[in-house]
Amino acid sequence: GNSVTQMEGPVTLSEEAFLTINCTYTATGYPSLFWYVQYPGEGLQLLLKATKADDKGSNKGFEATYRKETTSFHLEKGSVQVSDSAVYFCALSSGGYQKVTFGTGTKLQVIP
Amino acid sequence: DTGVSQDPRHKITKRGQNVTFRCDPISEHNRLYWYRQTLGQGPEFLTYFQNEAQLEKSRLLSDRFSAERPKGSFSTLEIQRTEQGDSAMYLCASSSTGGRTDYEQYFGPGTRLTVT
Repeated sequence: GNSVTQMEGPVTLSEEAFLTINCTYTATGYPSLFWYVQYPGEGLQLLLKATKADDKGSNKGFEATYRKETTSFHLEKGSVQVSDSAVYFCALSSGGYQKVTFGTGTKLQVIP
Repeated sequence: DTGVSQDPRHKITKRGQNVTFRCDPISEHNRLYWYRQTLGQGPEFLTYFQNEAQLEKSRLLSDRFSAERPKGSFSTLEIQRTEQGDSAMYLCASSSTGGRTDYEQYFGPGTRLTVT
């Protein structure tokens, strides 16, 4: 079956530091890959997505590249802000019904 | 459209009681999903509707759980004889078939269930 493995948190960074959150996946077929973000007290929001190999998703300064050869979709940001503090979920969808399989989430805390 | 809405946002119930949650998807979306998220974990798939047809159910969905989408619009998720292990956030998501974004799901704010 499908699965997503992401680095455990919490991750604590100083403002303006470089962020990487690792994510690898196992899937049948050709999945679409996602990063979702959950801010404190709020619902899940789609941060970025990539639908095929070598695609790069980007949004709000965050980027992730779909690497089929390493089955990875690592999230990066060059300079984090306090407002980026949230839980980040790597996820994939595949198959006819496109149900989403999530990782366990990585909590990011950015300190001033 | 204001997005996916869920009602109630919070529900506290006693063990053994029945509860029902409602989800209103984005109006033009024909696909509707339910997920469950426990503390410190990612959401887990429960069930999927395309229009009014329930096409897939997870093994997580025991026989105490039932979901409906009677007219292919809103959906309800009922839990009978609740147990403390049912305490979780129940998330609804919707998406549309066709077009370039037919794989993108939009999530509601969730219903947080606490069983005492």
